[in-house]
Amino acid sequence: NAGVTQTPKFQVLKTGQSMTLQCAQDMNHEYMSWYRQDPGMGLRLIHYSVGAGITDQGEVPNGYNVSRSTTEDFPLRLLSAAPSQTSVYFCASSPNPGGNNQPQHFGDGTRLSIL
Amino acid sequence: KNQVEQSPQSLIILEGKNCTLQCNYTVSPFSNLRWYKQDTGRGPVSLTIMTFSENTKSNGRYTATLDADTKQSSLHITASQLSDSASYICVALTGGGNKLTFGTGTQLKVEL
Repeated sequence: NAGVTQTPKFQVLKTGQSMTLQCAQDMNHEYMSWYRQDPGMGLRLIHYSVGAGITDQGEVPNGYNVSRSTTEDFPLRLLSAAPSQTSVYFCASSPNPGGNNQPQHFGDGTRLSIL
Repeated sequence: KNQVEQSPQSLIILEGKNCTLQCNYTVSPFSNLRWYKQDTGRGPVSLTIMTFSENTKSNGRYTATLDADTKQSSLHITASQLSDSASYICVALTGGGNKLTFGTGTQLKVEL
């Protein structure tokens, strides 16, 4: 049981490039989300999904797209990378929308640098 | 505006000692309060989740308390170990939605 798997672990991009951060979970969780973690700030929600085919914006969605074609996968796409998107990105999943009294399970993150 | 504030920002203690981390939250409506441990280079891992009706919850050497009246929570670590060195993040869930508000964390270092 791998939990939440994120790839790649590290990535360096040039400004204007696009890329997709992958996230997969094997716990059959309905709720998945993407966060970014920046120094001195709490995790901020980028996008989330309450089930296959359903996505919605979080607190900081600009510059990012998501899709949810299956329960297991929730990729995050950077459309045109900017230096302000340099961050550590975490994917999380939980059994039901919002998690309520269920904890979110986090992947180990993708460390992204935009030059 | 929903906010979660943690103190201290960082803390150094000797192995075997106890310590207490603080969390003040202002979220409305409040649903539950969570503590996560984040090791360097890893994702956060859940330690405890408490609803407004719970005053205390333990997970091994970790004990969380919650005072819903004063909107304060604490995480007490007993008999610290080197492996406790990590960032501890307080998170409040807003009721009726998916909104999680994260604190910036307390960076704990346990030394010999």
